[in-house]
Amino acid sequence: GQQVMQIPQYQHVQEGEDFTTYCNSSTTLSNIQWYKQRPGGHPVFLIQLVKSGEVKKQKRLTFQFGEAKKNSSLHITATQTTDVGTYFCALFSNQAGTALIFGKGTTLSVSS
Amino acid sequence: DSGVTQTPKHLITATGQRVTLRCSPRSGDLSVYWYQQSLDQGLQFLIQYYNGEERAKGNILERFSAQQFPDLHSELNLSSLELGDSALYFCASSVTYRDEQYFGPGTRLTVT
Repeated sequence: GQQVMQIPQYQHVQEGEDFTTYCNSSTTLSNIQWYKQRPGGHPVFLIQLVKSGEVKKQKRLTFQFGEAKKNSSLHITATQTTDVGTYFCALFSNQAGTALIFGKGTTLSVSS
Repeated sequence: DSGVTQTPKHLITATGQRVTLRCSPRSGDLSVYWYQQSLDQGLQFLIQYYNGEERAKGNILERFSAQQFPDLHSELNLSSLELGDSALYFCASSVTYRDEQYFGPGTRLTVT
């Protein structure tokens, strides 16, 4: 079945440093979604990317979809303690599928 | 607050028992999803319902079953519980399918 690899598994940064998490698939994706889960909380939808090479920004967060639509990245500029949590990418099981397959997530910790 | 409600918040039960988890989707959402989150397995898709009908199935055990009622709320039934079933169970909803999903606060199940 469809699988997604997310790296790194953990990342610790000093406040103000940048952070990037990567999501890789072995097959071409129709789209990809990103979610954030704060410690003790539930996943919260961040964004959906659909087009090849798409780049979307949300304040300090930049999301990118690869040209071949097989990978995606989330970059946070100048991290803050509020960025702490686990970031998941998620993709649909196949072109027509409606089941979301989540990556294992990247857990970000930030020290001030 | 995502608008998705789940009850109960916490559940402690013994091995071999049966429990029912309940989810009310956001107003207007027709799709309901169930996920299991454990430390070693990450966020695992269990099952999806759309407007009362089963739409997609993931790695859901035969001991688990779910349904979506005419008022669109959903229940996840877990029977013959084992220690390994201890996890956070999330419900999510979306307008149709392949949309962003809104997660509820989760039910933490502990099997002793």
